[in-house]
Amino acid sequence: AQKITQTQPGMFVQEKEAVTLDCTYDTSDQSYGLFWYKQPSSGEMIFLIYQGSYDEQNATEGRYSLNFQKARKSANLVISASQLGDSAMYFCAMSLTGTASKLTFGTGTRLQVTL
Amino acid sequence: DTGVSQNPRHKITKRGQNVTFRCDPISEHNRLYWYRQTLGQGPEFLTYFQNEAQLEKSRLLSDRFSAERPKGSFSTLEIQRTEQGDSAMYLCASSPRGFIPPAKNIQYFGAGTRLSVL
Repeated sequence: AQKITQTQPGMFVQEKEAVTLDCTYDTSDQSYGLFWYKQPSSGEMIFLIYQGSYDEQNATEGRYSLNFQKARKSANLVISASQLGDSAMYFCAMSLTGTASKLTFGTGTRLQVTL
Repeated sequence: DTGVSQNPRHKITKRGQNVTFRCDPISEHNRLYWYRQTLGQGPEFLTYFQNEAQLEKSRLLSDRFSAERPKGSFSTLEIQRTEQGDSAMYLCASSPRGFIPPAKNIQYFGAGTRLSVL
């Protein structure tokens, strides 16, 4: 079975600084996808970025980039130039190739952006 | 462009009562998922539909839970004889068909229904 571990319950970052949120995963499958979602206090899960297990380049989406280290089974999210609106819960998730391709989530990291 | 819609947003019920939640996915999406999120945890998978067929159910989905997607569009999740342990946020997500590679299943979530069982 697959597992996602997020070891940082909470992080603080100053506005305009960069921050890295850690994520490690465990699976014996060779084909999988890694995702990061943002969950503001309103509750909706917002998709941020995707990385495929066979992708050779690290994924980037605007201010978000994913530092994918396959041998270490890590998929850290880097947010550059933090903004106050980035304050939220961030979840790392994984899906395997299969009928459902359901998402398995970590426990999340609460990011607080300060002035 | 409407996203995933869930109703109601909040539901307070007494233990033993039945409750039903509704999810309207993004219109062209044929895949629909239900997840449950308890305080301090990430969402956990409950069940999955492809069109109207329920293809996978988690062991978390006890006999008191039932989900339907009768015409392959909206879905309902019903909990019978609610218990205090059912208190959680229930999230619905949808995704389109035919993503490549197969693991690139980007799911789009609604804002959830928060259930409180007294």
